[in-house]
Amino acid sequence: SQTIHQWPATLVQPVGSPLSLECTVEGTSNPNLYWYRQAAGRGLQLLFYSVGIGQISSEVPQNLSASRPQDRQFILSSKKLLLSDSGFYLCAWSVGGTNEKLFFGSGTQLSVL
Amino acid sequence: LAKTTQPISMDSYEGQEVNITCSHNNIATNDYITWYQQFPSQGPRFIIQGYKTKVTNEVASLFIPADRKSSTLSLPRVSLSDTAVYYCLVGVGSGNTGKLIFGQGTTLQVKP
Repeated sequence: SQTIHQWPATLVQPVGSPLSLECTVEGTSNPNLYWYRQAAGRGLQLLFYSVGIGQISSEVPQNLSASRPQDRQFILSSKKLLLSDSGFYLCAWSVGGTNEKLFFGSGTQLSVL
Repeated sequence: LAKTTQPISMDSYEGQEVNITCSHNNIATNDYITWYQQFPSQGPRFIIQGYKTKVTNEVASLFIPADRKSSTLSLPRVSLSDTAVYYCLVGVGSGNTGKLIFGQGTTLQVKP
């Protein structure tokens, strides 16, 4: 069966520090991969999505970037965190297609202080 | 990309049936309608998906009228544990573009 791993679960970082969040998927090939962010009490904001290795689409201009070095690995990064980067970061995968279903990881709660 | 509109919040009592409606006036021919449930500090969880008419599983039912411009998630006999945020998501149409954007969702509060 397919599983998605996301780590760390919680992270406290100072403003201006770098960020690296990693997500890996097991049990499937060539998944679509996603990074969403959820601010406290708010909805899910799509940050990046990828339909293949090296193919990254950005939805929101910001100081974050994403990379997909391997088929089932998706990394979210920042060179310098801002206070506004605080939030709940969720990785998700799907098999694509018109009836695709999203499967989410357990999330990373990031606090930038 | 179809935009969805849902009520921001709903209240219910244990044992009642809850119906949450989502509007998606610009749904494309090939789009499916998918509903997710999210508890605090967790990722959303798939509930049900449909294309037209009615779909039922062990958790919920999904009603989609012929014009497909709206859909209704029906939760039978809710319990306190059904308190969560419910999202309606409409696909991006044909192809594998990968762009899936959530609306604001409906916060359901179930009271004893």
